[in-house]
Amino acid sequence: EAEVAQSPRYKITEKSQAVAFWCDPISGHATLYWYRQILGQGPELLVQFQDESVVDDSQLPKDRFSAERLKGVDSTLKIQPAELGDSAMYLCASSQMGVRGYEQYFGPGTRLTVT
Amino acid sequence: GQSLEQPSEVTAVEGAIVQINCTYQTSGFYGLSWYQQHDGGAPTFLSYNALDGLEETGRFSSFLSRSDSYGYLLLQELQMKDSASYFCAVRDRRLTGGGNKLTFGTGTQLKVEL
Repeated sequence: EAEVAQSPRYKITEKSQAVAFWCDPISGHATLYWYRQILGQGPELLVQFQDESVVDDSQLPKDRFSAERLKGVDSTLKIQPAELGDSAMYLCASSQMGVRGYEQYFGPGTRLTVT
Repeated sequence: GQSLEQPSEVTAVEGAIVQINCTYQTSGFYGLSWYQQHDGGAPTFLSYNALDGLEETGRFSSFLSRSDSYGYLLLQELQMKDSASYFCAVRDRRLTGGGNKLTFGTGTQLKVEL
């Protein structure tokens, strides 16, 4: 069964350093999402792509976060500089167009710890 | 904006039936989804209701009442492996930029005991 791939699975970084996460969605899924999940809370959407275009980045802290999906396939989320409050799980998800577009498939996530 | 409410924690015994409620406030509502997440794992899709009524998938069922802005997830014949967090999520109209977005609740932690 096809899965969403993410790397790294775990990342420890010092505050003020740069960090990047990578996501490869399920083949053929045009829509890609980056979520942040703080322990004990639900996932919060950071950015949504439709192919290579950003559909929604209203919750992305643009002073330090950036995201790209240059060829409309895999995607990278970057934080620079990292802050202590960025410690969280970063989840990538993808969905297909059409009738079952409501179903999002999540990757295993990257757990970020900022020290 | 959107808001969702669900109980923070529910405990039940193996073999029992448990219902997890979700109430929401939103505009441009399209549907209500449910996701399961085990500790340290990724959320996995369980069900989606766009219309009023009950959707059944094996031991899990989900219900929606659009007029009451209310839904629930029903888990039957509980098993130890059902211990996880369950999130309701509203699919609604995006205020800017078009299309729709998914907003998750804070989750209900289900503990299944022997």
